Amino acid sequence: AQSVTQPDIHITVSEGASLELRCNYSYGATPYLFWYVQSPGQGLQLLLKYFSGDTLVQGIKGFEAEFKRSQSSFNLRKPSVHWSDAAEYFCAVARRSNAGKSTFGDGTTLTVKP
Amino acid sequence: ETGVTQSPTHLIKTRGQQVTLRCSSQSGHNTVSWYQQALGQGPQFIFQYYREEENGRGNFPPRFSGLQFPNYSSELNVNALELDDSALYLCASSGGQGSPGIANTEAFFGQGTRLTVV
Repeated sequence: AQSVTQPDIHITVSEGASLELRCNYSYGATPYLFWYVQSPGQGLQLLLKYFSGDTLVQGIKGFEAEFKRSQSSFNLRKPSVHWSDAAEYFCAVARRSNAGKSTFGDGTTLTVKP
Repeated sequence: ETGVTQSPTHLIKTRGQQVTLRCSSQSGHNTVSWYQQALGQGPQFIFQYYREEENGRGNFPPRFSGLQFPNYSSELNVNALELDDSALYLCASSGGQGSPGIANTEAFFGQGTRLTVV
């Protein structure tokens, strides 16, 4: 069975500081990996995804993530955080070829200090 | 916006009642997945519909059921509502021509329906 762990429930960073959100997954083969962002009471917006190829993927809003097979990790990074980045971030894993059947972590809440 | 629309946006039901939630998939998508997101948790997969047939189900009881229509829109029905059913219900649209395994590399989520059971 696939699973996702996001070890950090809540992270606070200062505006302009760098950010890294951790994600570890468990899956028997090479998975599809995703990062989503959710504002309060809203749906999920896809930030980026990894299927194969280059292990460093670029997404929207200046985010990037690196797939490390040996560590079963897919950490999300941003070099300089903006106040508008404050939100809930979810990492997800899906079986190859069916992104609709995803398993999500419990999320990391990002607070941005002025 | 993703082009996936859900209705209603909010509703309040009494324990024991039944509820129907609706989702219109994005144009060109033939697969709809439903998720339950309880407060403070990540979304949990309920089930998926592809070409009007259930295509996989998560760990949810039979009182959670669904339908998909020829235009690929979908409904989620929950019978005998319990207090723990209070959650944000998300619909995700994906897929293209062919099976869910083809061109199903991204899921587009609606804004969700907030269900409160009292």
